[in-house]
Amino acid sequence: DGGITQSPKYLFRKEGQNVTLSCEQNLNHDAMYWYRQDPGQGLRLIYYSQIVNDFQKGDIAEGYSVSREKKESFPLTVTSAQKNPTAFYLCASRRDLNQPQHFGDGTRLSIL
Amino acid sequence: GDSVTQMEGPVTLSEEAFLTINCTYTATGYPSLFWYVQYPGEGLQLLLKATKADDKGSNKGFEATYRKETTSFHLEKGSVQVSDSAVYFCALIIQGAQKLVFGQGTRLTINP
Repeated sequence: DGGITQSPKYLFRKEGQNVTLSCEQNLNHDAMYWYRQDPGQGLRLIYYSQIVNDFQKGDIAEGYSVSREKKESFPLTVTSAQKNPTAFYLCASRRDLNQPQHFGDGTRLSIL
Repeated sequence: GDSVTQMEGPVTLSEEAFLTINCTYTATGYPSLFWYVQYPGEGLQLLLKATKADDKGSNKGFEATYRKETTSFHLEKGSVQVSDSAVYFCALIIQGAQKLVFGQGTRLTINP
């Protein structure tokens, strides 16, 4: 079945540590997105990528980095510069601008 | 800027009750409108969508009509089930843009 796979489901970070969240899709979608979800709030866009080797900052990119070396993969690194990283992170993709975004099942990041 | 305002939650109903979750929007361009549903511990699933005024999206007994004159996209269901318990997000995207703009979500609990 085609879909978006996020891993791990749960992730713990120590102070001062960088962690990388994986997002893989086999839908052959061009565009991919990372959102952050905090309790009682909607989703906020961190980064997005429309094509391989290109990505753009979203509304809350500070403290995060991404890469898009392959069409299927869009990993998100939460750096030590992100002072409040505890959240639920959702990856999404879509085929083109006329199609809705489809989401993975998310990664919950917590601070030890 | 673009924004989505949803009915404050949580909402608690009995099984077979009628459901309405209000959603209004402001948009600088011409938006497509969406309802997403999030079950506990999972990502978002697209529930329904509408891309132009007076369009009605429907799925799994849920309906919403794109009302340009009132800038609204209220979600309705005639008879809810316990399995409908989830968080519901209203969202918009300006056609041709990359970013989904989300409301804050409405938590729905259905009691047997």
